[in-house]
Amino acid sequence: KQEVTQIPAALSVPEGENLVLNCSFTDSAIYNLQWFRQDPGKGLTSLLLIQSSQREQTSGRLNASLDKSSGRSTLYIAASQPGDSATYLCAVRGSGNTGFQKLVFGTGTRLLVSP
Amino acid sequence: EAQVTQNPRYLITVTGKKLTVTCSQNMNHEYMSWYRQDPGLGLRQIYYSMNVEVTDKGDVPEGYKVSRKEKRNFPLILESPSPNQTSLYFCASSSWGQGFTEAFFGQGTRLTVV
Repeated sequence: KQEVTQIPAALSVPEGENLVLNCSFTDSAIYNLQWFRQDPGKGLTSLLLIQSSQREQTSGRLNASLDKSSGRSTLYIAASQPGDSATYLCAVRGSGNTGFQKLVFGTGTRLLVSP
Repeated sequence: EAQVTQNPRYLITVTGKKLTVTCSQNMNHEYMSWYRQDPGLGLRQIYYSMNVEVTDKGDVPEGYKVSRKEKRNFPLILESPSPNQTSLYFCASSSWGQGFTEAFFGQGTRLTVV
């Protein structure tokens, strides 16, 4: 059974810092991995999607990497801003006959960026 | 604009009163799914649908029903809601015809059952 862990659970940084959020998963047979942000009381906004054959994806100040063999992904946020404050969720879609039907989510990292 | 729309956004109801949460997507996605989010438990899948008239149970299907009569709509039905179904619900959609693509989520429905 796939399990997804995100460390740290919470992170507080001053504005301008570069930071890394971590995601680990127990079963390396994945189809893709997706990073989301969730603002309080709001839905999930997709940030980056990495297919299993890819090593990284970039969008603006965000860079996500994937190391399937070690079961790890990182989300790198450059030059953090107060508007980046949110909960960041990592989700894995499995491969094979029984894994692709759902995303398995971590419990998230709550990020606070102070001005 | 590509989007998944859920209604209502907030709902307070009483135990046993049937309700439906609607979900609609405008991206012609084959795949749709419902999740619930609870503190400490994260998001868990309730039901999913690979295409019209094709639905199946997720990890926590008890107390819920779904239907997929049209490609764009995937309503979640609670026939007899109970307090343990108080939660934040999300609908999601993806394309999967050429392999699974990015999942899009709705804004969520916060349901309280008293």
